[in-house]
This record gives sequence, structure tokens and C-alpha cells, in this order.
Amino acid sequence: SQTIHQWPATLVQPVGSPLSLECTVEGTSNPNLYWYRQAAGRGLQLLFYSVGIGQISSEVPQNLSASRPQDRQFILSSKKLLLSDSGFYLCAWSPDRDSNQPQHFGDGTRLSIL
Amino acid sequence: GDSVTQMEGPVTLSEEAFLTINCTYTATGYPSLFWYVQYPGEGLQLLLKATKADDKGSNKGFEATYRKETTSFHLEKGSVQVSDSAVYFCALSGGNMLTFGGGTRLMVKP
Repeated sequence: SQTIHQWPATLVQPVGSPLSLECTVEGTSNPNLYWYRQAAGRGLQLLFYSVGIGQISSEVPQNLSASRPQDRQFILSSKKLLLSDSGFYLCAWSPDRDSNQPQHFGDGTRLSIL
Repeated sequence: GDSVTQMEGPVTLSEEAFLTINCTYTATGYPSLFWYVQYPGEGLQLLLKATKADDKGSNKGFEATYRKETTSFHLEKGSVQVSDSAVYFCALSGGNMLTFGGGTRLMVKP
């Protein structure tokens, strides 16, 4: 069966520091991968998605970037964090080439910027 | 473009009450429809899905029917429990992407 892992679960970082959040998927190949952000008490905002290694689409211009160095690895990064980057970050995957399938989510990373 | 509209919460119910959370959508083509649940501090879990008109998705006592004529996918449960307290998201699929509603917080009191 397929599983998705995100880490760390929580992170407290000072303003201006770098960020790296990692997401990996097991049990499937060539998945579509997604990064979302959820502000406190709010809905989901799609940040990035990827349909293959090295292929990244950005939905919202911002202080963050994403990379997909391996088929089942998706990384969210920032060179300098802002206070507004605080939130709950969720990674998700869906099967390739089947647009009516659900996405499956990781447990999330709660990021607090001080 | 595609959109999903959910009733705003919070919805507060007593244990064993009947639950309805409304969801309506606009979409081109024939999307699949989903309900996700998010418990405090956790990611989203797929609760149920329906892939075509008149399909009924069901799981853990929750049900939702894909109504193409009213473009709706309302979530129902006959008797809620305290453990059902969570945020519920309605979503539709299209082109490898999901469009989410804003979420509805459900609070169930004993």
C-alpha cells in the first residue's frame, strides 16, 4: 500500500532563516505531488505541484520554492523566512494520469516563525 | 473556473443529532467529488468519494450523493458523536488538481 511521510512535524524558526521541509511517498511510482499551506482556521492554498522529476508548477508567487530531485521526493524550501510564512504545510500525492482520483495527504508540518 | 462552496461554520450539534453540511459546486466536464475530514493538528483524510452522477459515497456512517441536477454533494450523518468533531472539506477533481471548499468546522457536544 502507499504511504506518505512528512517531516518535521513541528518547526520553530526565526525570521530570515532558511527552510527545508521534506515529503516522500512509498508504494507507488511517478505520482503527482503537491504542497499546500493552511493558515490558522483557514482553507487550503495550493503552493506547488509536480507531475515528474524536475517539473514544478507554482500557483502563487511567494517567498518559497519547491524541488523534486527524485521520483517520490518533494522538498519545500525558502532562503529567508518571513513572519507570513507561518502556517500548517501539507504534502499530498495522487496517481499519475488519472485526473479523477483523490489526493492523499501527509500529517503536515506546523511552522512557526518568531 | 471550477469552484466549491460550503456552508460556513462552526456547526455545533449535540451528540446523536442529525448532521448535514451543504456543498455545491460549479465545474466543466464530469468531475469526481470528495469529502475530506481534518482532525485537530492532523492532515486531511479522505472520508468518501463519488465519481459520477447519482453515486452515493459512504464511510463511517457518513453519506453524500452526487446530484448533477442541483450540482450538490451534501454530507450527512444520522447520529453524530463527539469524536466526529473536526473540519470537513468538500472538493472536486479536474485535470490532476483538486478544488476545495473553505471547510466547515463541526463541534459535537456530549
